[in-house]
Amino acid sequence: DQQVKQNSPSLSVQEGRISILNCDYTNSMFDYFLWYKKYPAEGPTFLISISSIKDKNEDGRFTVFLNKSAKHLSLHIVPSQPGDSAVYFCAANFGNEKLTFGTGTRLTIIP
Amino acid sequence: KAGVTQTPRYLIKTRGQQVTLSCSPISGHRSVSWYQQTPGQGLQFLFEYFSETQRNKGNFPGRFSGRQFSNSRSEMNVSTLELGDSALYLCASKVGGPSDTQYFGPGTRLTVL
Repeated sequence: DQQVKQNSPSLSVQEGRISILNCDYTNSMFDYFLWYKKYPAEGPTFLISISSIKDKNEDGRFTVFLNKSAKHLSLHIVPSQPGDSAVYFCAANFGNEKLTFGTGTRLTIIP
Repeated sequence: KAGVTQTPRYLIKTRGQQVTLSCSPISGHRSVSWYQQTPGQGLQFLFEYFSETQRNKGNFPGRFSGRQFSNSRSEMNVSTLELGDSALYLCASKVGGPSDTQYFGPGTRLTVL
């Protein structure tokens, strides 16, 4: 049972434009959500998080939006840069439960 | 602060052998989690240790085990290796409470021949 889903395995975006990565979840208990970025052969790097009491969190070029009624979150990257090319994972948990990850979306920024 | 470190970075073993991977968390972090990543798969959760006790466990066979020491360092052991165990094994640490951010190490690339 995949509780966190990233339905787009890949996404290509022109440099300078907005990248939007999407994530859906099924477990209504989840109250904390994170996005990680991963380069090949490296560990994931934490990008940004949001708790369920908020619907938006912004950090520089990265903004995460949470729609609790739709059980959907998205990561916006503006403007997109070549160094943003990586695999992006969304993750969720509640309390001290394990962090559940999506299967990832490979983002390619086209110069 | 130093980040999460994992040793060794690369390992080659043969089927039937056993292997031990090590993880040193960020100073002050009491929770250590282990994940397996294989090509085409997301991060599969193995287990989490907090204050030397296993707090959460994923759906992996008993060949996969772990432990945590009093200094929060953790080890993961895989016995009777199978070809399918070839993967990137990632360790992550966090302070330990709910909504704490988890930080990952660089991983150990295990190849089973």
